[in-house]
Order: sequence, then structure tokens, then C-alpha cells
Amino acid sequence: DTEVTQTPKHLVMGMTNKKSLKCEQHMGHRAMYWYKQKAKKPPELMFVYSYEKLSINESVPSRFSPECPNSSLLNLHLHALQPEDSALYLCASSQDLGRTGGNTIYFGEGSWLTVV
Amino acid sequence: GESVGLHLPTLSVQEGDNSIINCAYSNSASDYFIWYKQESGKGPQFIIDIRSNMDKRQGQRVTVLLNKTVKHLSLQIAATQPGDSAVYFCAETQSYIPTFGRGTSLIVHP
Repeated sequence: DTEVTQTPKHLVMGMTNKKSLKCEQHMGHRAMYWYKQKAKKPPELMFVYSYEKLSINESVPSRFSPECPNSSLLNLHLHALQPEDSALYLCASSQDLGRTGGNTIYFGEGSWLTVV
Repeated sequence: GESVGLHLPTLSVQEGDNSIINCAYSNSASDYFIWYKQESGKGPQFIIDIRSNMDKRQGQRVTVLLNKTVKHLSLQIAATQPGDSAVYFCAETQSYIPTFGRGTSLIVHP
């Protein structure tokens, strides 16, 4: 069982709605990630937080807004999404960035988002 | 550009057989590799990893082989079981962030 918890598991929202995806980990990890995954495709990196600061933004549209309130929590705020944004949104965490010898990322079960 | 890919999108095996899933990578600076298993409707699950200073690593029923000369990674699953049916992704890490390959769908027939 994953120790990265995501809520909600399923979300349906209209294009004018504002919603949020939430992620929590209690492994003491200091790096947290958001990935987007479309059907039958590999996960694509969106954002990386390291020590609660945004470290990487993979040119994600501003309708996706990440937030890291503390080292255990990561949110993804959604506003004015498009139907093509429908996907599985995966949260992940790792001990930290910059580890020599490897950075193992552990994933949550994901939040299935449908934009109508 | 640099990319990570898989040779076969689908692999079908009989229960009890050994499975081999392959992965090619092109970034010679990659120093850490991970295999993930993703079951339908779930997030990717860590299976096994290997650092670039190794060429083989074994886990429980799984073995990862790394051939840096030809930039090739493989995952071997011994005595494949129906519960092994899933999509398997390899990921390579060069700057601490994994980049995922295409994925191989493993189908295990009872």
C-alpha cells in the first residue's frame, strides 16, 4: 500500500469550476511532485517542490496552480480547465532532490479528473 | 532529443513462465534506473531500482539487468503470476527527476 494519499479519488468538474486536488505523505520526504497521466501513456512531470519551495514547473498552464502548505501536504488548484485536461493526476514524494545514487519516487493512487 | 523507450508495447505470457521486459535509453549520463508496475486504476508502484555502477540487481522474483554499453535495461520476472498483469514502466534519472519510458503491458494467461 502506498504511503502517499490522494483525495479525491474521482472528480468531475465543469470548465468554469474551481476545485483542488490534495496529497499527503507522512514518510518525512522533502520533495513532492505532481504528474499528469493520460490513458496508456507514461506519467508526465508537472511540478516539483523541494523543501516546500517550487523547484520545477514544466511549463504547465496557469490554470493549474500548485501549493505546498507544509512538508507533508501538496495541493493542486484547478480553475477554468479544458476537457483535454481530463486525466489521472498523480502525486509522488521522495526523500529529497540531489541525492547521490538515486532518487526513488513513490506515487499515490492518483485522482481521476474529468472536465465536462 | 534524449528519450527512454520500450521495445514491445504488449507482452503475453503463460502463467509460470518467465517474463522479460526490455527498455532502451539514450541518455548516457543517466545514473539511476527504476522499474515501476502500474495496475489498472492505480498509481505506479516501485518494483526495483539499479544504479549505473551495477549491472544486475535481484529482488523477490524480479531481476533488473543494466547494459550500459548498449544503453539497455531489462526486467525479468520469474514464474509469472496472473497478479503480475500490469503496465511496466522503466524510468531513467539523470538530474534527480525520473523520465518515464512508454510502458509495456504484460498480460499473463492462466
